[in-house]
Amino acid sequence: GESVGLHLPTLSVQEGDNSIINCAYSNSASDYFIWYKQESGKGPQFIIDIRSNMDKRQGQRVTVLLNKTVKHLSLQIAATQPGDSAVYFCAENISGGYQKVTFGTGTKLQVIP
Amino acid sequence: KAGVTQTPRYLIKTRGQQVTLSCSPISGHRSVSWYQQTPGQGLQFLFEYFSETQRNKGNFPGRFSGRQFSNSRSEMNVSTLELGDSALYLCASSLEREAERKTQYFGPGTRLLVL
Repeated sequence: GESVGLHLPTLSVQEGDNSIINCAYSNSASDYFIWYKQESGKGPQFIIDIRSNMDKRQGQRVTVLLNKTVKHLSLQIAATQPGDSAVYFCAENISGGYQKVTFGTGTKLQVIP
Repeated sequence: KAGVTQTPRYLIKTRGQQVTLSCSPISGHRSVSWYQQTPGQGLQFLFEYFSETQRNKGNFPGRFSGRQFSNSRSEMNVSTLELGDSALYLCASSLEREAERKTQYFGPGTRLLVL
């Protein structure tokens, strides 16, 4: 069935280093992917998205890479800061259809000062 | 523009009771989705409403239901509560336009504890 999974449940990174969070998806029909950040006690917050016709998209300190061949996407955070500590979710969706976003289980990012 | 709001933020109920949670989407957003979040299962899709109609539903029992009003505000109801219903219930709204990618904006959630 459709699923989105994350490879690492917890990632510890030194402050200032770059972070890479990975995600695998299985639904070939998915053409829109989103990364969310969830801090403790809050709802998920949109970070960045990418369409399937792109391989890479950059935001402020974040980059999302999409590899459709192996159904994999990643979130890269440059110069990780303590405020980046949170749980990160990848999500997939199919544009043009009903809103039914499938989320991965989440990766907890811990930034070591 | 105000974000998605959910009420109440915290709730304690006992088994067998029923509960109603409320969500007010971002102004202009007509799609409202509900999710259940637990440590073990992550974020699971409950249902989506658009223009007062449920147009998509996840794999939850019939005890979970919802509705949407003409102003796009939405409520979800859980009847005959079970211990396993303890979770964070998240509401998300999105803009429905041809050019939009239907990015969802989440509220802070309602933390439900069933004793």
